Amino acid sequence: KNQVEQSPQSLIILEGKNCTLQCNYTVSPFSNLRWYKQDTGRGPVSLTIMTFSENTKSNGRYTATLDADTKQSSLHITASQLSDSASYICVVSFSGGYNKLIFGAGTRLAVHP
Amino acid sequence: DTGVSQDPRHKITKRGQNVTFRCDPISEHNRLYWYRQTLGQGPEFLTYFQNEAQLEKSRLLSDRFSAERPKGSFSTLEIQRTEQGDSAMYLCASSPGIAGERSEQYFGPGTRLTVT
Repeated sequence: KNQVEQSPQSLIILEGKNCTLQCNYTVSPFSNLRWYKQDTGRGPVSLTIMTFSENTKSNGRYTATLDADTKQSSLHITASQLSDSASYICVVSFSGGYNKLIFGAGTRLAVHP
Repeated sequence: DTGVSQDPRHKITKRGQNVTFRCDPISEHNRLYWYRQTLGQGPEFLTYFQNEAQLEKSRLLSDRFSAERPKGSFSTLEIQRTEQGDSAMYLCASSPGIAGERSEQYFGPGTRLTVT
């Protein structure tokens, strides 16, 4: 079954601290892996996209890693800010066709002052 | 703001009523997607359009649901005889029809439906 699992389900950190979110997937055939940020009541916004040949991608204070062999990805957030409070969703795309996406349930991050 | 707009942003309806949502994608995008998201979960795929053609529908899309994209621009999603289980956020996304699977999907802000 094609699935994307994320951990932890929720996380609370203090402003300025770093954190790492995890994603495991069983989607096959794999095309690419994306991380999205979703603010409460808003649509998801893309942070990074990685194909199987890419193992690191950065976007400002966000760094995503991908291990296509173990089918694991992580999203590292550096020097967190209050505005980082959101859900972070790991999304895997099927190879071929029209870019069908399988979404994880997300990690809800709360950054406290 | 991604450039994808949805209307209305919120809809409260009584069970058994019909509702219709609208999505306006980014103008040059020929692919359009509908998703449903329930509380604490990631979005689930409902249906996909390439221009005006509806090319795939999820099994989640029961016969009470219908989607159209009549001129290959905006799209509507109608739910007939709403049930409380239909309460969710309905998200629309669009992407350019370029070759390859890295095509980015841009999401609208969603329509939150509450069925009472």
